[in-house]
Amino acid sequence: EVQLVESGGGLVQPGGSLRLSCAASGITVSNNYMNWVRQAPGKGLEWVSTIYSDGNTYYADSVKGRFTISRDNSKDTLYLQMNSLRADDTAVYYCARGVGDFQDWGQGTRVTVSS
Amino acid sequence: DIQMTQSPSSVSASVGDRVTITCRASQGINIWLAWYQQKPGKAPKLLIFGASSLQSGVPSRFSGSGSGTDFILTISSLQPEDFATYYCQQTNSFPYTFGQGTRLETK
Repeated sequence: EVQLVESGGGLVQPGGSLRLSCAASGITVSNNYMNWVRQAPGKGLEWVSTIYSDGNTYYADSVKGRFTISRDNSKDTLYLQMNSLRADDTAVYYCARGVGDFQDWGQGTRVTVSS
Repeated sequence: DIQMTQSPSSVSASVGDRVTITCRASQGINIWLAWYQQKPGKAPKLLIFGASSLQSGVPSRFSGSGSGTDFILTISSLQPEDFATYYCQQTNSFPYTFGQGTRLETK
């Protein structure tokens, strides 16, 4: 059974940084396409970033240059480094597995950007 | 970017009803469309991929159809556990984009 467990969310001031983690079990992160998707309070789903098994990365324009997706193959963990955070980055962040369509999801971690 | 538009934004229905939700893409995406169900406070759940392929473990009352720009999610006979919000997503190209969601409420 695939399990994805996010952590690292919290309250951060505008301009601050945060690193989210997604610990995977039941899969090998490096062999899979892994993604981050977010959902602002009361809003819909927004794709944030993808890392392919070959290491190629892709970002939404809204986070490009500020967020970095990466993985630690030895720990089967996916990361999202978020810098220069803004109020509109406030959301629940989900990690998800899949190429295009997302077949497995974590429970999400909440990020609040506020002074 | 490919824009995804769902209709209706909300729908009221009763157990046993047949419900259809429509999703339109701003440009052709072949069959590269997925449908998700999300319940409050929970992560989304993949229902349909490739426009019409049922994800493993999803009840057969859910079905998807369409190609190109117009797609439909059908729930053939609503069950109490189906009241939720449904999203379509184009998986054709980056940036992946979702529809705004359709809230399915009890009548």
